[in-house]
Amino acid sequence: ETGVTQSPTHLIKTRGQQVTLRCSSQSGHNTVSWYQQALGQGPQFIFQYYREEENGRGNFPPRFSGLQFPNYSSELNVNALELDDSALYLCASSSKQGGSYNEQFFGPGTRLTVL
Amino acid sequence: RKEVEQDPGPFNVPEGATVAFNCTYSNSASQSFFWYRQDCRKEPKLLMSVYSSGNEDGRFTAQLNRASQYISLLIRDSKLSDSATYLCVVKEGTGGFKTIFGAGTRLFVKA
Repeated sequence: ETGVTQSPTHLIKTRGQQVTLRCSSQSGHNTVSWYQQALGQGPQFIFQYYREEENGRGNFPPRFSGLQFPNYSSELNVNALELDDSALYLCASSSKQGGSYNEQFFGPGTRLTVL
Repeated sequence: RKEVEQDPGPFNVPEGATVAFNCTYSNSASQSFFWYRQDCRKEPKLLMSVYSSGNEDGRFTAQLNRASQYISLLIRDSKLSDSATYLCVVKEGTGGFKTIFGAGTRLFVKA
């Protein structure tokens, strides 16, 4: 077990709805990254939060947004859900030391289905 | 061109075989390199980091060629428990904040 937890484990939504996914990082980690993994593909980087600020973003539209809280837990929000948003959403925590990021530890993921 | 490309797979090998996975990356400024393993319906887990000098961890050997922008993973004496998807991973950005995964190569080891 990595110590990274995510909730919920599964979720079903319909097109146009909004969803919030949650992640608790491993103790001592100050950085959280979110990924989207479609079936048969590798995880795609959505964005990263370091000390409550977004400090990097992949090629995802603005309807994908996030937050990081003072305890370093994080939320991923997706507005106006589309069918293609159906995927496994992974959260990974790490620590930043000396200007670089250490090993990431992944949570078990939230499987989102959009109907 | 994809940022990180891997052999499409799947690879089907007998126990005891040696199998090699290849990966190329497009950004010459990439900073660090890894192989992750992902079991079915599980999260990815770090297998090993990859260094220019090459590195070995038991039956696993990883190589990096920065000039060719090429990464490899060699598994010797395959075990049934090695069956998984192997993901090539590259970090970019200041301090390596952006992590880019390849699509993964599925390995099936048969008895």
